[in-house]
Amino acid sequence: NAGVTQTPKFQVLKTGQSMTLQCAQDMNHEYMSWYRQDPGMGLRLIHYSVGAGITDQGEVPNGYNVSRSTTEDFPLRLLSAAPSQTSVYFCASSSHLDSNYGYTFGSGTRLTVV
Amino acid sequence: AQSVTQPDIHITVSEGASLELRCNYSYGATPYLFWYVQSPGQGLQLLLKYFSGDTLVQGIKGFEAEFKRSQSSFNLRKPSVHWSDAAEYFCAVVRDSNYQLIWGAGTKLIIKP
Repeated sequence: NAGVTQTPKFQVLKTGQSMTLQCAQDMNHEYMSWYRQDPGMGLRLIHYSVGAGITDQGEVPNGYNVSRSTTEDFPLRLLSAAPSQTSVYFCASSSHLDSNYGYTFGSGTRLTVV
Repeated sequence: AQSVTQPDIHITVSEGASLELRCNYSYGATPYLFWYVQSPGQGLQLLLKYFSGDTLVQGIKGFEAEFKRSQSSFNLRKPSVHWSDAAEYFCAVVRDSNYQLIWGAGTKLIIKP
C-alpha cells in the first residue's frame, strides 16, 4: 500500500546509545518531516526536508540529525539518547505541487530511553 | 508567531449527542487548516482540511468544520457521535515560512454510553 513506512515500531535505548529511526514514502512527495509527540503538547517539529539534499531545523532539533539523500527516505538519527527523548516519533510526507495538498503520516515509533 | 489553540483538553459527550471541538489559530497569510484524529496507540488520520472557498468543509466519518476568519476559528462538529469516535483530535495550521504544520495540544474525546 502506498504511504509512509516507519521502522521500528518500538525501541528501548539506554542513555548514551545512538540509533536511527527509518522513514520511507512511495508517493514521490517532495516534503518530509519528523515530529515528536508528548502528552499535552501536541506534535512538535524536529527536522524537515523540502527535497533530496535539503534539510532544515524545526522547533526541537537538538540531539537529532537528519539527511535526505533520496526522495523516498528520511532517516532520523539520535546521536546520544537521553531520557528526555522518550517520546512517540512520527514521520510525515506531503506534496505542495498538486491540488490534493496534505500530509500523510507513518504509524509512529514509540521510543523509551532508560 | 503563528499558533494553534485547542482550549479543551478533554470533552465528554453522550453517545448520540452532538459534538463541537474548538480550534483557534493566530492569523497567517495562508490559513491552510487541518483536523486529524488519533485513536489510542495509532497514527494520525486526516479528517478534513480547509484551503479556500466554501467555509463549511465536509470530512470523513460524518465530521464537518467551519472556517470563521472573523473569529480565527476552525471548529469541528458532528451531529451524532458514536462510541468509535472516542479518540484524540488535533487541529493544525500550515506555517507560512516553511509549509510545515503547527499543532494544537489536542482534545481527548470521551464517549459516555
